[in-house]
Amino acid sequence: TQLLEQSPQFLSIQEGENLTVYCNSSSVFSSLQWYRQEPGEGPVLLVTVVTGGEVKKLKRLTFQFGDARKDSSLHITAAQTGDTGLYLCAHNIKGAAGNKLTFGGGTRVLVKP
Amino acid sequence: DVKVTQSSRYLVKRTGEKVFLECVQDMDHENMFWYRQDPGLGLRLIYFSYDVKMKEKGDIPEGYSVSREKKERFSLILESASTNQTSMYLCASSSQVDDLFFGPGTRLTVL
Repeated sequence: TQLLEQSPQFLSIQEGENLTVYCNSSSVFSSLQWYRQEPGEGPVLLVTVVTGGEVKKLKRLTFQFGDARKDSSLHITAAQTGDTGLYLCAHNIKGAAGNKLTFGGGTRVLVKP
Repeated sequence: DVKVTQSSRYLVKRTGEKVFLECVQDMDHENMFWYRQDPGLGLRLIYFSYDVKMKEKGDIPEGYSVSREKKERFSLILESASTNQTSMYLCASSSQVDDLFFGPGTRLTVL
């Protein structure tokens, strides 16, 4: 099993500040996904990164896939209270029985007003 | 608006009871998944199905079984619930691409 380590586990910041969360592994991935889960809801896909060194932007969120495709980061600029949630990275394991996603432990982000 | 729905948001059961968690998707997706989510452990895959009547074990299948009689419906069954199965249960579906669509989750408490 390829493990995904996310750091930090918990992050509390004031509205307007920037933050970065990380997803690391010792294995190379063909692609990596980031999800956000708000309290009381299921995770929602934010982005999929595929190419080493790739950078994708989603409004104030910037996602980067490491050159070696072993790690990824999510940077939020000028965080808002609506960014509060659990951020999960995941990678797809393609097997004979079908595809399945394996998740990291998540980073819980709290943006205070 | 595409949807994955789960039969209950909250459920309380007693040890030894048989528990059914139902999941329905309206996107005609081939693949469906059951995860459980626990603090500090993230999402762990219990079972998944890539076609009607097909099922595959995930990482933690012990104590669970599943049923996929129709394409849109995937049921998780706890034959004899135990307290260590208290958790948040999340159902998800996907087409042939990687993107998962999750339901809102069922928070199960086993007393």
